[in-house]
Amino acid sequence: ETGVTQSPTHLIKTRGQQVTLRCSSQSGHNTVSWYQQALGQGPQFIFQYYREEENGRGNFPPRFSGLQFPNYSSELNVNALELDDSALYLCASSVTSASYNEQFFGPGTRLTVL
Amino acid sequence: SQELEQSPQSLIVQEGKNLTINCTSSKTLYGLYWYKQKYGEGLIFLMMLQKGGEEKSHEKITAKLDEKKQQSSLHITASQPSHAGIYLCGADRMDTGRRALTFGSGTRLQVQP
Repeated sequence: ETGVTQSPTHLIKTRGQQVTLRCSSQSGHNTVSWYQQALGQGPQFIFQYYREEENGRGNFPPRFSGLQFPNYSSELNVNALELDDSALYLCASSVTSASYNEQFFGPGTRLTVL
Repeated sequence: SQELEQSPQSLIVQEGKNLTINCTSSKTLYGLYWYKQKYGEGLIFLMMLQKGGEEKSHEKITAKLDEKKQQSSLHITASQPSHAGIYLCGADRMDTGRRALTFGSGTRLQVQP
């Protein structure tokens, strides 16, 4: 069974640029959630995708957007990057029909905005 | 929205010592999850608690959820260097009704040999 994978591992961008992060969910999982983890903080929920549609969103501006593909993989896009966007971005997959909400996390993408 | 507070923020213990990490919620917890994170890496699922008074153990780690379902504790017995990392508690988000988690800010554990 393949776990959750994310790419790239690390990324350096400058203010104002755009970035796309990718996530492949664990086999059999139909739901993908994205989280932002700033240094020294817990992960903050960005949004979730189920059946290729956004299924809930945290307190993040519209320049954070995403996609989910038919194979349940997902992308996180961030436009007009700001310095505060520097963080570890975590993707988690889960099964919406499961009786509990265990999220399986990928290793993360470390984004640095200069 | 629900907030989770973890204490202590950081902890340094000698190998072999016991320790406890607490997670307190401002609202009733419908599902409480404990994760471990190595610095700068992804989260590893430890345990999930749902029922008031529930207690679960895995190897040397025990997690409990109080009867009122607003506080959870994670206890490590006879700590080892392999226990070092960041421990995060997470709770089901009920504000959006979606299956995502709200996390505490984490407890950073160092175990000295």
